[in-house]
Parts: sequence; C-alpha cells; structure tokens
Amino acid sequence: DAKTTQPNSMESNEEEPVHLPCNHSTISGTDYIHWYRQLPSQGPEYVIHGLTSNVNNRMASLAIAEDRKSSTLILHRATLRDAAVYYCILRDVGSQGNLIFGKGTKLSVKP
Amino acid sequence: ETGVTQSPTHLIKTRGQQVTLRCSSQSGHNTVSWYQQALGQGPQFIFQYYREEENGRGNFPPRFSGLQFPNYSSELNVNALELDDSALYLCASSTLPGWDTDTQYFGPGTRLTVL
Repeated sequence: DAKTTQPNSMESNEEEPVHLPCNHSTISGTDYIHWYRQLPSQGPEYVIHGLTSNVNNRMASLAIAEDRKSSTLILHRATLRDAAVYYCILRDVGSQGNLIFGKGTKLSVKP
Repeated sequence: ETGVTQSPTHLIKTRGQQVTLRCSSQSGHNTVSWYQQALGQGPQFIFQYYREEENGRGNFPPRFSGLQFPNYSSELNVNALELDDSALYLCASSTLPGWDTDTQYFGPGTRLTVL
C-alpha cells in the first residue's frame, strides 16, 4: 500500500490560514488522496479528497502537486474547533474500501 | 438523518474474557468497517462487512470476528481478550466499498480496557 508522510505536529493561530503538508512519493495513477481529521474524543471525520485537480469544499481546500507526489490541505481560517489530528490517506482500487491511517499531524490552534 | 452509533461507550474486561461491541450504521449505508485505535496511533483496519458478508480483513487474528445483520448494523466480537486489545474500537459506515471516492462515516467509538 502506498504510504504518506506528514509532520507529527503543527501550530496555528486562530483565524489564520493553515497549510498541512503530505508527501506521497510512491503514489500510483489510480490512488485518490483523502483527508480525514479526528477531533479529541471523537471518531475520524471526512474532510476532502481529490485525484489530480485542486478541490474545494465548505471545510477546506486540497492542493495537489502537478506530479502528485505531494499535497496540501488548506484551512482558510483556523478556528479553535479545527484542533485535531489530520490524516492524509491514499486509496486505490484494490483497497476494498478500508482506510490505511498513519499517525497524522496533530494541529494545535492558539487563540 | 441518524449518524453512526456505537455501544457501549466504555467497557472494562479482564484478560481471557470475551466481548461484543455493537454498531448501527448511518441510514442508507450497507457497509460497515471496524478499526482498532491504540493510544497515540492512527486507526488500524480490522475487517469490513458488505451486505452481510465479510469483504476484506486486516492483519488481525481469528479471535476477532464480526457479523452484519439484515438492517446493516454490525457486531465485533473479540475472544480470549489480551491486554494489548485495550484500545478505542471504531466503526464506520459507507455505501461504496472499494470505490476510490467512498466516504466513511465514523461513530464515536467504544473504549475497551482489558485488565
């Protein structure tokens, strides 16, 4: 299974943008890039996903490098509620639907 | 629309005992996946059920077993509990197993402590 590399932790100030990086140098052409986050004492929740083009939704934006070997999750204005562990996950056609989580990036947001 | 629910919230068992955890999937979802999350780690895939059949399994021993019912709710059973089984057990429901665009919706988890 293709692997991802993320920083262990990051800090942000409230109401500022946050850029969470993810490296996936062994990504295959059929791998989608998914992001989930896990708030304290909760199960993970879906954030966003993409294949090649940049993607936007109400929660975040996903910027994918042209060679697809890296991507960045962008929170446009961090709030205290965005403090969570963020997981970058690759999913291919053979995954049978299961998610392969790494350790993720723990995001702290300061008021 | 009711989200994914799990019961119980917390559970304490002793080594060697058996435990059953329950999960109700989100309305309209036919697939349930179970994950084990040890403290400080990301969730690890245990197995998945699609329309009452096992549809994939992670690297867990046979003493971890499951069921899915006609209403798509599910159970996770663990026999002969070991201390290392202490973890948060998460279930997730979805509708498109194996599709790259599949989104999984997670429950809050059951915290199992084995003494």
